[in-house]
Amino acid sequence: AQSVTQPDIHITVSEGASLELRCNYSYGATPYLFWYVQSPGQGLQLLLKYFSGDTLVQGIKGFEAEFKRSQSSFNLRKPSVHWSDAAEYFCAVGAYNFNKFYFGSGTKLNVKP
Amino acid sequence: EPEVTQTPSHQVTQMGQEVILRCVPISNHLYFYWYRQILGQKVEFLVSFYNNEISEKSEIFDDQFSVERPDGSNFTLKIRSTKLEDSAMYFCASSEGRGETQYFGPGTRLLVL
Repeated sequence: AQSVTQPDIHITVSEGASLELRCNYSYGATPYLFWYVQSPGQGLQLLLKYFSGDTLVQGIKGFEAEFKRSQSSFNLRKPSVHWSDAAEYFCAVGAYNFNKFYFGSGTKLNVKP
Repeated sequence: EPEVTQTPSHQVTQMGQEVILRCVPISNHLYFYWYRQILGQKVEFLVSFYNNEISEKSEIFDDQFSVERPDGSNFTLKIRSTKLEDSAMYFCASSEGRGETQYFGPGTRLLVL
C-alpha cells in the first residue's frame, strides 16, 4: 500500500537559515510526488511536483526538492528561510494515472526572527 | 490565477443533521475530489468524481456521504446525518485530468456538536 511519512511534526528555524523538510514514501512503482503548503486559514497551495525526468525540481517561493529513488525520499529544501514561510507543509504521493493522493501528516514550520 | 473556492469556510451543526459543503472547481477542470483532515491527523481521500459519476471512493465514504455536480460550476458533498466523528476540515480539489496535479480549495471546517 502507498504511504507517506513526514518524520518531523514541528521544525523551528531562524530567518535566513537553510531548511530541509523530510518526506519518505512507500510505493512499488515510480511515484508522482508533490509538496503543498498551507498557511493559516488558507488552502493547500502547490509548491512543486515531480513526475519524471530531472530528480531535482524547482518550485515557487524559492523551494526545491530532490527525488531519491534509492532512499524513497522527496525532501523539500530552501537555502534561506523568510518569516513568511511559516506554515504547514504536506508531502503527497500519487500513483501513475492516479485518481487520489496519499498525504503525509504534515510538518509545521516556525521561523524565529 | 484560477482557484478552487469553497463555502462556507466554517460550519457548526448538531449531530444527526444534514450538511452540504459547496465547492466551485477551476472552470476547465474535469476531475473533482473531496478530502478531509481530522484535527491532528493526515489529509485523507474521500472520493473522486468524473463525468457526473464517482470514479473512486475510500472506505470512509459510506452511505452517509454523497456528491453531486448540480450545475456547470458547483460540486457538493452532502453528509446526511452527521456524527461527532465527522468533525474535520473538508478540502475540495480539482484537476484537468486523471493523473494531473490537483488544486485544492481553502477548506470548510465542520464542527459537529
